[in-house]
Amino acid sequence: EAGVTQSPTHLIKTRGQQVTLRCSPISGHTSVYWYQQALGLGLQFLLWYDEGEERNRGNFPPRFSGRQFPNYSSELNVNALELEDSALYLCASSLVPGNSPLHFGNGTRLTVT
Amino acid sequence: QQQVKQSPQSLIVQKGGISIINCAYENTAFDYFPWYQQFPGKGPALLIAIRPDVSEKKEGRFTISFNKSAKQFSLHIMDSQPGDSATYFCAASILGNEKLTFGTGTRL
Repeated sequence: EAGVTQSPTHLIKTRGQQVTLRCSPISGHTSVYWYQQALGLGLQFLLWYDEGEERNRGNFPPRFSGRQFPNYSSELNVNALELEDSALYLCASSLVPGNSPLHFGNGTRLTVT
Repeated sequence: QQQVKQSPQSLIVQKGGISIINCAYENTAFDYFPWYQQFPGKGPALLIAIRPDVSEKKEGRFTISFNKSAKQFSLHIMDSQPGDSATYFCAASILGNEKLTFGTGTRL
């Protein structure tokens, strides 16, 4: 069984630019979650999508947004990039919506210069 | 607001020794407490989890101890091995609400 896949693995952007990160959940999983892992801050919950709908959102500004497609894959969009957006962005999926365990991908490392 | 406090930040243990990582939470509504293990370049992987209706759960060399009254839980790694070198995160959530709140991690 293929795990959660994310692309790209690394990305370098300039402050003010926009970025799109992609995630494909484990086959059969309908819920997708996005977390930000900044250095020294642990993992911070960003967004939860299930069946194409946003179900929950963490304490992040509106320039962080996303969507889930009919095949349950997901995109995370970040507009007007700031230096502090530099982090590892992790996507996870779960079999039962709103219930753990979460299966994480290996993340996208975003560097904003 | 950090709702799960994890300590220590880093830990060095001899091969064969016991590693202990502690977490404390504030929200009494939390009812699910997982531990994740993360190797460099990889995403976190679920190691072991506990619900508040039990005080201890053991899976192989890994044991979670849970103290509901103190709002604390800990991970014990027995007979620590070089392959256990990783970053460990505790987390907490309310079942049905997938907003996992993570500790800041312990590098073992």
